[in-house]
Amino acid sequence: DAMVIQNPRYQVTQFGKPVTLSCSQTLNHNVMYWYQQKSSQAPKLLFHYYDKDFNNEADTPDNFQSRRPNTSFCFLDIRSPGLGDAAMYLCATSITRDRNQPQHFGDGTRLSIL
Amino acid sequence: RKEVEQDPGPFNVPEGATVAFNCTYSNSASQSFFWYRQDCRKEPKLLMSVYSSGNEDGRFTAQLNRASQYISLLIRDSKLSDSATYLCVVNRPSLEYGNKLVFGAGTILRVKS
Repeated sequence: DAMVIQNPRYQVTQFGKPVTLSCSQTLNHNVMYWYQQKSSQAPKLLFHYYDKDFNNEADTPDNFQSRRPNTSFCFLDIRSPGLGDAAMYLCATSITRDRNQPQHFGDGTRLSIL
Repeated sequence: RKEVEQDPGPFNVPEGATVAFNCTYSNSASQSFFWYRQDCRKEPKLLMSVYSSGNEDGRFTAQLNRASQYISLLIRDSKLSDSATYLCVVNRPSLEYGNKLVFGAGTILRVKS
């Protein structure tokens, strides 16, 4: 059974039209992450939540925001998507931020911008 | 210089071959290392963690050289199903945020019959 679930798997939106991607987990992990991955590139961390504590990466555009209403769910909001935001968006979880903790990924949402 | 660097490949090998990938990292404070596997248009999946001097899991052996700051992954007796992108992942310690993982761009492996 999938433990980190992302919806939808594919999302198409129009240039400038807000879009929300969702992630849920059944692992009861404290930490949830959002990554952006473009073709042939490494996943790039956008931000993460440690419990309710939000941590934004310095180079994450203001266009990207996140919400974590409870332990199980985390959302990625893109306020005004541009063509450059077309990518795979990956949600991941880990038990803690301890250095030995690997991260467990959802299937990803592939976002296309028209 | 990127924090985690990998040879992008592709490595094209026949079934049954042994293949090795290297990865270098620049942050000497890093202490945890992982290899993830990513199939085309899928999510990364943890292949193995690499602790201390390395470890082995079946056909896969990972080694760590702290002095030279590189990690290697050896795959013996390659199978067609091993075809994927292999991501080298290193932790970046932070006093403020605990640890974050930094991903390499990956090495592509293609195993052919």
